[in-house]
Amino acid sequence: NAGVTQTPKFRVLKTGQSMTLLCAQDMNHEYMYWYRQDPGMGLRLIHYSVGEGTTAKGEVPDGYNVSRLKKQNFLLGLESAAPSQTSVYFCASKNRDTALSYEQYFGPGTRLTVT
Amino acid sequence: AQKVTQAQTEISVVEKEDVTLDCVYETRDTTYYLFWYKQPPSGELVFLIRRNSFDEQNEISGRYSWNFQKSTSSFNFTITASQVVDSAVYFCALSEAGGTYKYIFGTGTRLKVLA
Repeated sequence: NAGVTQTPKFRVLKTGQSMTLLCAQDMNHEYMYWYRQDPGMGLRLIHYSVGEGTTAKGEVPDGYNVSRLKKQNFLLGLESAAPSQTSVYFCASKNRDTALSYEQYFGPGTRLTVT
Repeated sequence: AQKVTQAQTEISVVEKEDVTLDCVYETRDTTYYLFWYKQPPSGELVFLIRRNSFDEQNEISGRYSWNFQKSTSSFNFTITASQVVDSAVYFCALSEAGGTYKYIFGTGTRLKVLA
């Protein structure tokens, strides 16, 4: 099992460019999440999904869109990147069945710099 | 509203000293979950422990121990005989029970263990 993987690991964008971050999990988890980590602010939830075809906004959704067309994948899109979106992005997944686990499993992160 | 406070931004200790990382939380839920994660310099998030709100037993795992007190809404983490490898950022997180299991993270405590 690879667990949760994120593509790419690093990316540099220019202001106004667009990109998509891919999160993939092979644990058959129903729930998936996107967080961003900024210095001194911990991790904040951007968007999440409780199942294939469903998405919802988190704490800091502005400037991002997401899609969950397949259960194993959760895509995070930036339509027009801004320097304020420079951050480390983490994807996580969780099994719906709490009898199996309560915690979220995190990917290795994507470091995005917007110049 | 849910909130997690880690008031200690950075702590420095000398190797073999004991150190306690504080975590105070706020929630209106009667059932909830608390977590600690470690983020070493390599950047990944490593799950350490989960505690359910209905289980106030303290837990010990090797040099790590956790003190959960509902009366003071605290879930503190103690490292005994600290080692240089314990140097990392430590995050406390709170999750609701049922529904989406979203995490609310504290801002993290950076622990530096000096040789």
